[in-house]
Formats: sequence, structure tokens, C-alpha cells
Amino acid sequence: DVKVTQSSRYLVKRTGEKVFLECVQDMDHENMFWYRQDPGLGLRLIYFSYDVKMKEKGDIPEGYSVSREKKERFSLILESASTNQTSMYLCASSFLAGTYTSYNEQFFGPGTRLTVL
Amino acid sequence: AQSVSQHNHHVILSEAASLELGCNYSYGGTVNLFWYVQYPGQHLQLLLKYFSGDPLVKGIKGFEAEFIKSKFSFNLRKPSVQWSDTAEYFCAVNAGSGGGADGLTFGKGTHLIIQP
Repeated sequence: DVKVTQSSRYLVKRTGEKVFLECVQDMDHENMFWYRQDPGLGLRLIYFSYDVKMKEKGDIPEGYSVSREKKERFSLILESASTNQTSMYLCASSFLAGTYTSYNEQFFGPGTRLTVL
Repeated sequence: AQSVSQHNHHVILSEAASLELGCNYSYGGTVNLFWYVQYPGQHLQLLLKYFSGDPLVKGIKGFEAEFIKSKFSFNLRKPSVQWSDTAEYFCAVNAGSGGGADGLTFGKGTHLIIQP
């Protein structure tokens, strides 16, 4: 079974703090993703990575950065947390597309509910 | 840029009723389509997916979806719902660029409540 784990289920931080959200996958997936989930807005892609030290911006990267030093680990960083970053953060991973598959299923972690006061 | 529209944000049905959740996407090229489900307190998990071939795809728990290219639609169906189907349902699309490294574009979700 694919397992995507996230370091915390719940996190409370103060405005201006630097926040690290960690994600680890155990299936040797090349791709890793960070989304945020908000009621009525669905999931929105923040950043993704298809290889170690590689990163690409998603739809809403402002206020976030990421780090991928090892294949299995993908970190989301809020340099200076703000109240509008209060949200559920979901990490996902997948294999890179192959010769015969244009896309592969993403597997999601349990999420981290971040509250910024 | 691709976008996904889910027609109903909240749906309430009685057990044994038939279900159809609408999903339309806006991308003219090759697409990969997904329905994900999130049961209360649980991970987001894949219900079914369409990559190519038969446009009628079957997923887990009796769900199916039909890809209609001319209508840019990928509606989710189930002939008889159960109380345990209460969940949030998300339609998602990825433009089939061949790289497969980019993320999914999700709809805003449909909150389905099944009344016993």
C-alpha cells in the first residue's frame, strides 16, 4: 500500500512565524505535490516537484516555498505565516508518466489543518 | 489554463435513490479525468479515472462515470446510493501533455448527504 504521511494533523501558529509542513512517501514516487483545501474552493495546487531539488509553481504559490532534498520527502514552507493561510494542507505523490501512460494516479496524505492566529 | 466545474455544491438524497454528479472541464486537448472522494475524517482517495479507451469507466463501491468528449463532461453516477456514500466528491483533470509531472486541477467539490 502506498503511504503518504504528513508530520502533523493539527498545527497552530502565530502570524509572522516560519512554518514547516513535512511530507514523506514510501513508494519511490518521482512526483510530489502540495495542495491547500478550503471549503467551497476545492483543492488548489501550491507547488509540485518531479525530482530531487526540482520544483515548479502551481496555481497559488505566493507566500509559500518548498524544499525537496530527498526523493521521499517534500516540505512546504510558510516564510511568514498569515491568517489567510489558515487552511487544510494536503500532500500527494505519484509516479512520473511513462511511455504508455500520460498520467498516473496521485496518492494523498491525511492532511495538516493549520490555524494561523 | 484548464478549469473544472462541478454543478452541485450540496446534494441531499435518500438511501436507494440514484445519483448523478455533474462535472465539466474546459480544455480542448487530451485530458485525464478523475473522481476523488473524501469520507468524513479520511484521506482523499481515488474513486475512478479515465485515461483513454472505453468512455464508460467503473470505479470502486459501485460508482461509474462517463466521459463525453463533445460535451467536455465526466459525470459520476451510482444507481442506488447508501448512507455510507455520504462524503465530499471532487472531479479533477490533468491536461495530457505527456509529462505527467504537473498537478491536478480540481473542481470545488460536491458535498453529498445520504439520509437513511
